Amino acid sequence: DAGVTQSPTHLIKTRGQHVTLRCSPISGHKSVSWYQQVLGQGPQFIFQYYEKEERGRGNFPDRFSARQFPNYSSELNVNALLLGDSALYLCASSPSRDRVTGELFFGEGSRLTVL
Amino acid sequence: QQQVKQSPQSLIVQKGGISIINCAYENTAFDYFPWYQQFPGKGPALLIAIRPDVSEKKEGRFTISFNKSAKQFSLHIMDSQPGDSATYFCAASWDGSARQLTFGSGTQLTVLP
Repeated sequence: DAGVTQSPTHLIKTRGQHVTLRCSPISGHKSVSWYQQVLGQGPQFIFQYYEKEERGRGNFPDRFSARQFPNYSSELNVNALLLGDSALYLCASSPSRDRVTGELFFGEGSRLTVL
Repeated sequence: QQQVKQSPQSLIVQKGGISIINCAYENTAFDYFPWYQQFPGKGPALLIAIRPDVSEKKEGRFTISFNKSAKQFSLHIMDSQPGDSATYFCAASWDGSARQLTFGSGTQLTVLP
């Protein structure tokens, strides 16, 4: 069975540019979350989507946006890139929005480098 | 109040030894405490998790100890193996936050052969 898949795996952008990261959840999973992991730190919550609606948002500026499509895949968009946006962007899926267990299945991430 | 503090930052253990990683939290609303294992170039993978109605949970060589009054929880890896060398993250969540995970800063574990 395919796990969470993310694309691209690596990308390099320059300051001020825009980036779109894509995520396909595990088949049957309706909830997708995005996390940012800066090198040497733990992941930080950016967004959660369930059934195409935003259900949670972390402490990130409006330059960050996301959406979920009818097939439950998701995109994370970041505008006006800053050097500090360089990080591993992780997508995670779960069967439901707020299961008691809260188990998330993470993809391998998209490594973004901003020059 | 959303912080989860993790220590130590790095840990070196001999093969067969016990690895212990500690975490402390402030938000008493947290009700789910997972540990994730992350290998280089990979996403975090759930290792074991506990809810505050029990003080200990064991799965194979991995045990979570939970102290609700002290707001602390720890991961014990018994009989540590070189294949356990990875970065370990504790995390916490509660139902009122859309189950978003608040992660600790991570512990890089090295198990020497």
